[in-house]
Amino acid sequence: AQSVTQLDSQVPVFEEAPVELRCNYSSSVSVYLFWYVQYPNQGLQLLLKYLSGSTLVKGINGFEAEFNKSQTSFHLRKPSVHISDTAEYFCAVSGAGTYKYIFGTGTRLKVLA
Amino acid sequence: ETGVTQSPTHLIKTRGQQVTLRCSSQSGHNTVSWYQQALGQGPQFIFQYYREEENGRGNFPPRFSGLQFPNYSSELNVNALELDDSALYLCASSRDYNSPLHFGNGTRLTVT
Repeated sequence: AQSVTQLDSQVPVFEEAPVELRCNYSSSVSVYLFWYVQYPNQGLQLLLKYLSGSTLVKGINGFEAEFNKSQTSFHLRKPSVHISDTAEYFCAVSGAGTYKYIFGTGTRLKVLA
Repeated sequence: ETGVTQSPTHLIKTRGQQVTLRCSSQSGHNTVSWYQQALGQGPQFIFQYYREEENGRGNFPPRFSGLQFPNYSSELNVNALELDDSALYLCASSRDYNSPLHFGNGTRLTVT
């Protein structure tokens, strides 16, 4: 079985500052890892995914994440945020090859002017 | 290509009633997964259908049931609604059971 912990429920950050949203997972098997963004009253949009290969994954909207197997982490980063990045961000894990996602509880990113 | 579409967008039901939510999968996708997202929480896996057969189920009672049709669209049925069933229900489709999910915008169900 897998589980996901998002360590911060809310992250306020000023516009154009860097941000890191933390995600740790646990699993006894190989995993796939994902980050999704959810804007108010909308579904989930895939930001990036790690399936295999390079541990540094680049996604849409300037986001990237690094898979760290030894620390069981998959933190999301952006070097310079915009007001439009204000949203809820979810980290998800699935056993490799299953695509039955386990989601974290989410991190609300609030970008301040 | 059209994305995942869900209907209705909002729904209000009374405790004890039954509800059916619908999902049209993205073109070329044969797998549909359903998730429940309670307010302030992450989505929770309800079940997945692959080529009209259930292909895994989360920790939800039997009053949550589903169906997938030959065109790969899907329904989620919930019987004997409870107040705690109030949530955003998300449908996601994928090319097959071994591919990333594409989510719809969800159906907001309110049980009073």
